[in-house]
Amino acid sequence: EVQLVESGGGLVQPGGSLRLSCAASGFSFSSHWMTWVRQAPGKGLEWVANIKQDGSEKYYVDSVKGRLTISRDNAKNSVYLQIDSLRVEDTAVYYCARYYCGSNCYIDYWGQGTLVTVSS
Amino acid sequence: QSALTQPASVSGSPGQSITISCTGTSSDVGGYNYVSWYQHHPGKAPKLLIYEVSNRPSGVSNRFSGSKSGNTASLTISGLQAEDEADYYCNSYRTSGTPWVFGGGTKLTVL
Repeated sequence: EVQLVESGGGLVQPGGSLRLSCAASGFSFSSHWMTWVRQAPGKGLEWVANIKQDGSEKYYVDSVKGRLTISRDNAKNSVYLQIDSLRVEDTAVYYCARYYCGSNCYIDYWGQGTLVTVSS
Repeated sequence: QSALTQPASVSGSPGQSITISCTGTSSDVGGYNYVSWYQHHPGKAPKLLIYEVSNRPSGVSNRFSGSKSGNTASLTISGLQAEDEADYYCNSYRTSGTPWVFGGGTKLTVL
């Protein structure tokens, strides 16, 4: 059974940093692209970043470029999201998700999410 | 403003059918068969319903179906059930700007 478990969320002051983690199990982690998606309170889903199987390619939503860094450790079956210079508008539930890539790529499994609250 | 446009809300009675639209451009929905749909009950993990416009993963009810015409993709739910009440999101790959975009989401109310 595919499982994705996020951790690392919490209350952070504006300007601070946070590192989110996602522990994966139940599948061959090193064979899949991974992604982070967030949902601000009362808003819809927003794709944030994704990373190739070996970490050689990374893509970010334009609005967060330079402040977010996605990384992975295939030996630990984990993907991470480093968020720097946190802003109030970064407050959201952050979901870790797996990409399935065949002829196309799409998210097929999601975690339950971890809440990041940016407030003074 | 989301890159893909969905109606904010739709509603239907049990047993009825509803359709949710997802409108983009030729750079995303219209240019590729890379549209997927997700069901999201608040507080839970989103669930994949449809991938590549019209394909259903195993385990997803055949009451859910997807289609596309031009720059607009659609999700149809037939035989509405109370448990279908949730938020629904479309997603597409696109060639300009942010490579993956979601629609703004549609809240389905089962009356």
